[in-house]
Order: sequence, then C-alpha cells, then structure tokens
Amino acid sequence: AQTVTQSQPEMSVQEAETVTLSCTYDTSESNYYLFWYKQPPSRQMILVIRQEAYKQQNATENRFSVNFQKAAKSFSLKISDSQLGDTAMYFCGTSYGKLTFGQGTILTVHP
Amino acid sequence: GAVVSQHPSRVICKSGTSVKIECRSLDFQATTMFWYRQFPKQSLMLMATSNEGSKATYEQGVEKDKFLINHASLTLSTLTVTSAHPEDSSFYICSARREGRVGEQFFGPGTRLTVL
Repeated sequence: AQTVTQSQPEMSVQEAETVTLSCTYDTSESNYYLFWYKQPPSRQMILVIRQEAYKQQNATENRFSVNFQKAAKSFSLKISDSQLGDTAMYFCGTSYGKLTFGQGTILTVHP
Repeated sequence: GAVVSQHPSRVICKSGTSVKIECRSLDFQATTMFWYRQFPKQSLMLMATSNEGSKATYEQGVEKDKFLINHASLTLSTLTVTSAHPEDSSFYICSARREGRVGEQFFGPGTRLTVL
C-alpha cells in the first residue's frame, strides 16, 4: 500500500517569490514514480513534474524543481519566481500501477 | 499529444435516474483508464480501474452496482451512475495511462454531477 502526506493545507506567496510545498510518502515498492500535479480553478489536472525513484538527480521543469530525498521518503516542490497563474491546488502523488495522491495544498499567489 | 476528453462537462439529473459519463483518449490508445471522485477542496479518490476488454477493478467501499464502468475500446471508457441520489453529486474525473510513460496518467477535464 502507498500513502502520501501533504502537511500544508494552504500556503500563500507573493508574486516573484519562491515557495516550497512539502510531501512525504510511504511505499513498499522499490521501483515507483513520484509526481506533482496542479489543479487550477478550472479543475483540470495538470502534470507539473515527474520523478523516477531510481534516478537520484532531482527533476526540474523551468521554474519548478523538486528535492527528492529517497531515504527520508520526501518529495518537496519548489516554485521559483511565482506567478499569479500558479494559484492552484497542488497534489503530490506516487505511482506503482495506481496513482495515490496526498490531501493537496492550496497555493495562492498574491500580486 | 495525450489529450483526454470527458462528456458531458456538467449534468443535472433527478433523483432515481441514471447518468452516463464518457471518457475518451483522443490521440493515443489507453489500455487502462481510471475513474476518480472529488469533493470540493479535497483530494481525488480513486473509484475504479478500467481495463479494456475486462471487468473494472473497484476500490474498497465503492459500490460496483451503482457505478457501472465499461471500457469497450482502447479509447473509450464510460461510467454510469445508476439510480442517482443527491449524495452522488460530485466532480468525477477520468484519467488514462499511455504506454511509454510509465506511471503517468493524463486527466480529463472532469464532469460535475448534480442530483436534485
């Protein structure tokens, strides 16, 4: 069984600043994938970043990067130069067959 | 690529009626599709996994006779909410898995169901 925990129900950040969203997980699998999805007010789920657990190098997608600590089972998301369009609910997830999501973090970017 | 559509986007129905929601992968074949339910400001709850040509696998606590899932082709899965009641009102989201992108799922835009 897989579990994912996001301990920050809500976060806020000023435009252009950096924010980090936390995520911890637990899995008995040795080969799995980790994801961050965002869900803006439109409610369309959008993939932000994907990490393969067997790769030690942290994934990066433009302003989005992760800090993957496999031993600690931690997978945090850093958003640099925050933009108003980053306002959304963010879900951390782990996948081995099925995708298991955390509770989500509502991020609000203020002008 | 990897676009998933859902139809309808919104549906309002009377209590006791059945509602069908379609999920289509538009530009890829999806041997596996997933159905989720989401309440406001909450996470996605997996309801069932749908495999083309076989019976769906339901998560614990999900009534398979109420939520009928059919995955008749490699690009279409349907969810039918039978004898809907107000407590079935929710946001339903489907996703599809594409070969070559292990573990990743592509999500449809969701369907808001309101049962009066």
